Amino acid sequence: AQTVTQSQPEMSVQEAETVTLSCTYDTSESDYYLFWYKQPPSRQMILVIRQEAYKQQNATENRFSVNFQKAAKSFSLKISDSQLGDAAMYFCAYEEYGNKLVFGAGTILRVKS
Amino acid sequence: EAGVTQFPSHSVIEKGQTVTLRCDPISGHDNLYWYRRVMGKEIKFLLHFVKESKQDESGMPNNRFLAERTGGTYSTLKVQPAELEDSGVYFCASSKVPGVAFFGQGTRLTVV
Repeated sequence: AQTVTQSQPEMSVQEAETVTLSCTYDTSESDYYLFWYKQPPSRQMILVIRQEAYKQQNATENRFSVNFQKAAKSFSLKISDSQLGDAAMYFCAYEEYGNKLVFGAGTILRVKS
Repeated sequence: EAGVTQFPSHSVIEKGQTVTLRCDPISGHDNLYWYRRVMGKEIKFLLHFVKESKQDESGMPNNRFLAERTGGTYSTLKVQPAELEDSGVYFCASSKVPGVAFFGQGTRLTVV
């Protein structure tokens, strides 16, 4: 069974600084999706960034980028120029095409002003 | 375009009572998923509908949980009778194609 591990229960970053959230996963599949979701206190789960496993190029979305290491089964999220609005719970998730999402335990990100 | 909508946003019920959660997916999304997060733990998959059919219900914890999807549109998740350990946030998500799931805001269920 696929598993997703987020080893950092909580992280802090100073406003305008950069922070990296870690995620590793385990799968025997070669084609799949990886995601980072953000859940602010309002509870709405928001997709931050998505990576397709067959693409070697790391996905980027404005201040958010990933470091996807397929062989190492690692998928970290880098947030540059952190803003107060980035404070939230971040979930790493895996999807085997068209199937359920498997989530990590989440990392609480605190942004200090 | 309306997003995924869940009702109610919060429900407090007594142990032994019945609660029904509703999810309205994005129009045209055949795939509908239910997940839940029990306090302090991971978000766990409950089940997956494709249109009105249950594609995968391997995550349903026990027979106190019943999910339906009428006509392939909205879905309900009924818990009967509710137990204390059922407390948590229940999320619904819908997708049209793989890799693009949209989540609702969740229903926080508190069983006292």
